[in-house]
Amino acid sequence: AAGVIQSPRHLIKEKRETATLKCYPISRHDTVYWYQQGPGQDPQFLISFYEKMQSDKGSIPDRFSAQQFSDYHSELNMSSLELGDSALYFCASARISGSGDEQFFGPGTRLTVL
Amino acid sequence: AQTVTQSQPEMSVQEAETVTLSCTYDTSESNYYLFWYKQPPSRQMILVIRQEAYKQQNATENRFSVNFQKAAKSFSLKISDSQLGDTAMYFCAFMRGTGSGNTGKLIFGQGTTLQVKP
Repeated sequence: AAGVIQSPRHLIKEKRETATLKCYPISRHDTVYWYQQGPGQDPQFLISFYEKMQSDKGSIPDRFSAQQFSDYHSELNMSSLELGDSALYFCASARISGSGDEQFFGPGTRLTVL
Repeated sequence: AQTVTQSQPEMSVQEAETVTLSCTYDTSESNYYLFWYKQPPSRQMILVIRQEAYKQQNATENRFSVNFQKAAKSFSLKISDSQLGDTAMYFCAFMRGTGSGNTGKLIFGQGTTLQVKP
């Protein structure tokens, strides 16, 4: 079965530009999570969606927004990019059943802000 | 709020030997799950092993096993017969039990870089 797909894999932007990261979860998974991993750091939870509704929000800047669409794919929109936004952005998907379901991670999108 | 602490930034082990990575956590929850993730140089996040807090038996997956001490809030990972391919960053992670109001987000520790030497 296909895993979580993220696009693009690499993205280079200038300061103050915008970026859109896309995530395609595993088939039949109803939950999507976004994480940000800065250089040499652990992944930090940004936001999650369950059945197309925002389910939780972490340390996500107001400049970022996200949504999950009817086909369950999700997009993370980032505006007014700053140098500090340079990081690896992971999307993970899961099928929530109340039993600590495994989150399957995508390969990540490496964002570089110049 | 839950916290996860990995106090060993770097460790090394000789090939074929055994190594133990430490992790402690803090929570007031009774229903939760603990995980170890491996992140090789490719940066892909790979689940190594998981432990349900309600289970007393320690989880094992081939060469990987955990020592789960619930009262001490400790969750260490033991890697037996270390292989060169085990070289990676290892993250300990906590997740509240999913259910009403719980979304399943992962809270990670700072990570331990493991180098397996030939």
